[in-house]
Amino acid sequence: QQQVKQSPQSLIVQKGGISIINCAYENTAFDYFPWYQQFPGKGPALLIAIRPDVSEKKEGRFTISFNKSAKQFSLHIMDSQPGDSATYFCAASNNAGNNRKLIWGLGTSLAVNP
Amino acid sequence: EAQVTQNPRYLITVTGKKLTVTCSQNMNHEYMSWYRQDPGLGLRQIYYSMNVEVTDKGDVPEGYKVSRKEKRNFPLILESPSPNQTSLYFCASRPTPTAYNSPLHFGNGTRLTVT
Repeated sequence: QQQVKQSPQSLIVQKGGISIINCAYENTAFDYFPWYQQFPGKGPALLIAIRPDVSEKKEGRFTISFNKSAKQFSLHIMDSQPGDSATYFCAASNNAGNNRKLIWGLGTSLAVNP
Repeated sequence: EAQVTQNPRYLITVTGKKLTVTCSQNMNHEYMSWYRQDPGLGLRQIYYSMNVEVTDKGDVPEGYKVSRKEKRNFPLILESPSPNQTSLYFCASRPTPTAYNSPLHFGNGTRLTVT
């Protein structure tokens, strides 16, 4: 059972456009929602994260929008650049006992055409 | 430089030949974990460790072993590899097991092929 559903699986955007990746979750106990970015040949790295007490978080061209009632959150990449081409993973977590476990989406492969 | 180091980066082996993938972190992190990444299946956790001598199964532990004798090292052992263990493996660490804003730091991966 996949607890975090990510879409689309792949995305092609023109340079300067807006990239939008969506995630939906089921467990209302989740209290932390990070996005990780993975370049080819590298491990994922934390890009941006949000807690459910805010509806939006912005860091440069990257913004997370969070809708608690709909149990959805999304990553928006403004003015997308070829250097943003990567795989993006959303995740959700909460403390389960003495361990904070991350539940991952399946990833979105983003290609930004020059 | 703070990092998670995995070795080797690439490994081709045959069915049944025991192998070990090493992982070391220099950030004094308590928590370490192994993931495998397969197309269409995302990142799946194999094993994790919350501190020295404390390990536990993740979501796909079958066919794997781990040990945590020192804080910095967390090797992944495949006692009898099979072709379905062909995958891209990542070691990751984070400062604590429980803090919500404790980000995972990943190594650069080990691509394993079992023939």
